[in-house]
Amino acid sequence: NAGVTQTPKFQVLKTGQSMTLQCAQDMNHEYMSWYRQDPGMGLRLIHYSVGAGITDQGEVPNGYNVSRSTTEDFPLRLLSAAPSQTSVYFCASNNVLAGRSYEQYFGPGTRLTVT
Amino acid sequence: GDSVTQMEGPVTLSEEAFLTINCTYTATGYPSLFWYVQYPGEGLQLLLKATKADDKGSNKGFEATYRKETTSFHLEKGSVQVSDSAVYFCALKNTGGGNKLTFGTGTQLKVEL
Repeated sequence: NAGVTQTPKFQVLKTGQSMTLQCAQDMNHEYMSWYRQDPGMGLRLIHYSVGAGITDQGEVPNGYNVSRSTTEDFPLRLLSAAPSQTSVYFCASNNVLAGRSYEQYFGPGTRLTVT
Repeated sequence: GDSVTQMEGPVTLSEEAFLTINCTYTATGYPSLFWYVQYPGEGLQLLLKATKADDKGSNKGFEATYRKETTSFHLEKGSVQVSDSAVYFCALKNTGGGNKLTFGTGTQLKVEL
């Protein structure tokens, strides 16, 4: 199993540009999440999904969109990038039916810089 | 709302020293508590967890005890190694919070020879 994969690893955007951060998992997990990690702030939940076709907002959803058309993929879209979105983005997944619903598996992260 | 407070870093120790990283939490109900570790350039990995009061989670020589009376979940290791250098995150999941994890700000640990 590859686990949780994210692309790209690094990205530089200009203010106003849009882009999609890709996330995929091959563990057949129902639950997927996007977090951003900023210095001194830990990880904050952006959006999450409890299954294909179902998404919901987390703590800091503004400026981001998500969709979940398949169990495997959970892309994060930045509609119009702003410098405040400079961060490291982590995708995570877990299976709520496996008896280990609390262990979230994290991808390696995407480091995004908006100039 | 729920919150997690960790000691500030970086923490710098010599190899074989004793490690304590403090973590306290604020939450209603009976949350589950976790420590995650992030090695340089990687995502977070679950290190250990405790799901009820007085539980002790342990893994790779690290341990933490869920203390409801002091709302704490301090991480300890008796003898650290250079390979333990990483950022450590304390986190909680509340019973009424769906699958949402609330993270502390992280504590960077540097272990030197």
